[in-house]
Amino acid sequence: KAGVTQTPRYLIKTRGQQVTLSCSPISGHRSVSWYQQTPGQGLQFLFEYFSETQRNKGNFPGRFSGRQFSNSRSEMNVSTLELGDSALYLCASSLRGGAPDTQYFGPGTRLTVL
Amino acid sequence: QKEVEQNSGPLSVPEGAIASLNCTYSDRGSQSFFWYRQYSGKSPELIMFIYSNGDKEDGRFTAQLNKASQYVSLLIRDSQPSDSATYLCAVNNNYGQNFVFGPGTRLSVLP
Repeated sequence: KAGVTQTPRYLIKTRGQQVTLSCSPISGHRSVSWYQQTPGQGLQFLFEYFSETQRNKGNFPGRFSGRQFSNSRSEMNVSTLELGDSALYLCASSLRGGAPDTQYFGPGTRLTVL
Repeated sequence: QKEVEQNSGPLSVPEGAIASLNCTYSDRGSQSFFWYRQYSGKSPELIMFIYSNGDKEDGRFTAQLNKASQYVSLLIRDSQPSDSATYLCAVNNNYGQNFVFGPGTRLSVLP
């Protein structure tokens, strides 16, 4: 079974631009979560989608948004990029999101904001 | 109080020794517990999970769970330099933010 895939793997943007990241979960997984990881803050939860609905949201500004499609693929959008948005963005999928699910990560998208 | 806590490390052990990684969590409703390994620049990969009190062994890895003490640990026997990585503890419940991660412990296995 194919794992979680994320595209693109690397992105370089400038301040003020917007970016869209894509995540395809493991086949059959309906829950997709997004995380931001930086050296100083560790792994921080952005949001989780299940059956095309945002079910949980972390403590990030409204510039960060996402959506999920009927095939469970998910996209994350960041508008008006700031230097501090430079990070590794990780997508993870699980069957339903609740216990006793196991979450599997994609390879991540490395975003650099100049 | 953070929901999932880990010592940030680095934890240094000599090759062949047992590495012990610890994690505490605050939510008594947590039902499942995970250990992930993350190499520098890579994404986290699942090592093992545990749901019930006690020990669970998988090769060189043993997870230990004590729900009364809200404590979960990971033991790595016969540590190898290739085990050098950051180890993330995660807990899952059936409500709210489902998967909550600790800050990770950096392990260094010295040859």
